[in-house]
Amino acid sequence: DTGVSQDPRHKITKRGQNVTFRCDPISEHNRLYWYRQTLGQGPEFLTYFQNEAQLEKSRLLSDRFSAERPKGSFSTLEIQRTEQGDSAMYLCASSLGDPTLRGYTFGSGTRLTVV
Amino acid sequence: GDSVTQMEGPVTLSEEAFLTINCTYTATGYPSLFWYVQYPGEGLQLLLKATKADDKGSNKGFEATYRKETTSFHLEKGSVQVSDSAVYFCAPNNAGNMLTFGGGTRLMVKP
Repeated sequence: DTGVSQDPRHKITKRGQNVTFRCDPISEHNRLYWYRQTLGQGPEFLTYFQNEAQLEKSRLLSDRFSAERPKGSFSTLEIQRTEQGDSAMYLCASSLGDPTLRGYTFGSGTRLTVV
Repeated sequence: GDSVTQMEGPVTLSEEAFLTINCTYTATGYPSLFWYVQYPGEGLQLLLKATKADDKGSNKGFEATYRKETTSFHLEKGSVQVSDSAVYFCAPNNAGNMLTFGGGTRLMVKP
């Protein structure tokens, strides 16, 4: 068990460019979550998957954001036409089923800076 | 919708002082409740949890009791250490689907 891995750790991009982040959850975890955290704030929910199905998306997730989990294992989060307001830490977490009993395990995050 | 209110930080204490970080929440039904901790430069880690009313979660000297009547889950530690300096997040789960996080409370412990 290597925990939740996120790649890259840091990404600097110019406004208007597209970026893609990857998350590898704990192998037996069937649920995968994406959150965004800005400086001094708590994580804000973006979306989550159960296996390959995307079950819920936040209203925060504009149409420039898309997430996939094609084989129910790793997931990607893509941001198109990045804006400076997209600068944040993007966090991935995973859980084995309903997080009621055990919560989530988080990755270390991908820090995005849009210049 | 569901929400979480945490006391604002930073909370600055001397080593061995008593710590309380308040957390109240609104939620549908009876959620499980979690405290996560984020040490400088690291990801969020689960600190403790409670899954039903009157449960007490504990870990590393920290405790929190699920108070259904006051919808609270205050974090306490009897004697803080410099190594406890971090940001603490309260998080109820939302109908079993995802966790909703508070804004975080930064704790600074001075030697």
